[in-house]
Amino acid sequence: GDSVTQMEGPVTLSEEAFLTINCTYTATGYPSLFWYVQYPGEGLQLLLKATKADDKGSNKGFEATYRKETTSFHLEKGSVQVSDSAVYFCALRQRAQKLVFGQGTRLTINP
Amino acid sequence: EAGVAQSPRYKIIEKRQSVAFWCNPISGHATLYWYQQILGQGPKLLIQFQNNGVVDDSQLPKDRFSAERLKGVDSTLKIQPAKLEDSAVYLCASSSPRMNTEAFFGQGTRLTVV
Repeated sequence: GDSVTQMEGPVTLSEEAFLTINCTYTATGYPSLFWYVQYPGEGLQLLLKATKADDKGSNKGFEATYRKETTSFHLEKGSVQVSDSAVYFCALRQRAQKLVFGQGTRLTINP
Repeated sequence: EAGVAQSPRYKIIEKRQSVAFWCNPISGHATLYWYQQILGQGPKLLIQFQNNGVVDDSQLPKDRFSAERLKGVDSTLKIQPAKLEDSAVYLCASSSPRMNTEAFFGQGTRLTVV
């Protein structure tokens, strides 16, 4: 079945550092890809999405590009802030079916 | 627009007791999901409804878990009897049935079974 694999966490960075969180997927067909974020004590929120190959999703300074050839959707941000500390989940969805999530990556940003 | 509402936020029960969670999705969203999120893991789908019909319940432990969605709107998830390994956050989400749309999540119910 479909699956998502994220880089192991936790990840700890200093403020203003460059961030990459790797995500690769296995799926039949052409799924939509998502990054969700979970801030402490809050529910899952959509961060960005891409619905077809070579699409780039972006939001709040974060970006991810749908790479069909490498089945990847890596999350990047050029300069992280303390407020970016959260757990990040990569996910895929085939048509109107369920979201399949990766295991999550906990990110901590130190001032 | 109001988000997905869940209650209660927290619940502590003893093993072998029963518990129920409630979810009210975003108005107009035909698709409703219940996910289980165990600490340190990604959410795992328990059941997906399309209106009031079940689309996917392949990972629902049917000997102890049940869910219903009356009139295609609100939904309840029940566990009876609970086991220690059911301790988790139970997330409800809803989405439009259109392709390529995201799901919107409630804040979840944190269940602790002691």
